[in-house]
Amino acid sequence: QVQLQESGPGLVKPSGTLSLTCTVSGDSISSSNWWNWVRQPPGKGLEWIGEIYHSGSTNYSPSLKSRVTLSVDRSKNQFSLNLSSVTAADTAVYYCARGEVAVGNAFDIWGQGTMVTVSS
Amino acid sequence: QSVLTQPPSASGTPGQRVTISCSGSNSNIGSNYVFWYQQLPGTAPKLLIYRNNQRPSGVPDRFSGSKSGTSASLAISGLRSEDEADYYCAAWDDSLSGQVFGGGTKLTVL
Repeated sequence: QVQLQESGPGLVKPSGTLSLTCTVSGDSISSSNWWNWVRQPPGKGLEWIGEIYHSGSTNYSPSLKSRVTLSVDRSKNQFSLNLSSVTAADTAVYYCARGEVAVGNAFDIWGQGTMVTVSS
Repeated sequence: QSVLTQPPSASGTPGQRVTISCSGSNSNIGSNYVFWYQQLPGTAPKLLIYRNNQRPSGVPDRFSGSKSGTSASLAISGLRSEDEADYYCAAWDDSLSGQVFGGGTKLTVL
């Protein structure tokens, strides 16, 4: 079955760059799906960060657009998130999710999430 | 402040029917599909409803979705204790060119 797994540092210093990778298994990153990042600050709701297609096309949340870069590595079947100039407000659980075209681009598969804390 | 508006909380007793509302605008719910996600404590969200009212395989038919104009609703019938979770609506927003979520509704089964 399709699985997504986030990986990356759990602690990032303020003003630094948060970098996470999502490894896809059971599906090809080159399929007709969009690959997403969503975050959830402790005790708060879900926030969409952005999405990437295997061609490299991207859409970003307007509130994060100036600091976010998404990329795809088709050889490794992975996609990645870089978030620059982080502050404590970026502390959250970060999820990767598949936007499945067959269900109207709903996020049908989610990773388990990885907690990232921004602190010195 | 979320683009989509949900009540912060809802509650019901076992066996009851509960509805959760989601209000948006012409640029999101009014012109695109609505999705609903269930998030059990300490777990990743799970897709509950897609394309306004469709259930993925494995989701009980106790869960149903509807949409009218710029609003949507999630109904849960025959409420069970295991339904206690946070529920989020979502939709694509044409003006923002991105997905938007509701603030979430915490459902308590009394």
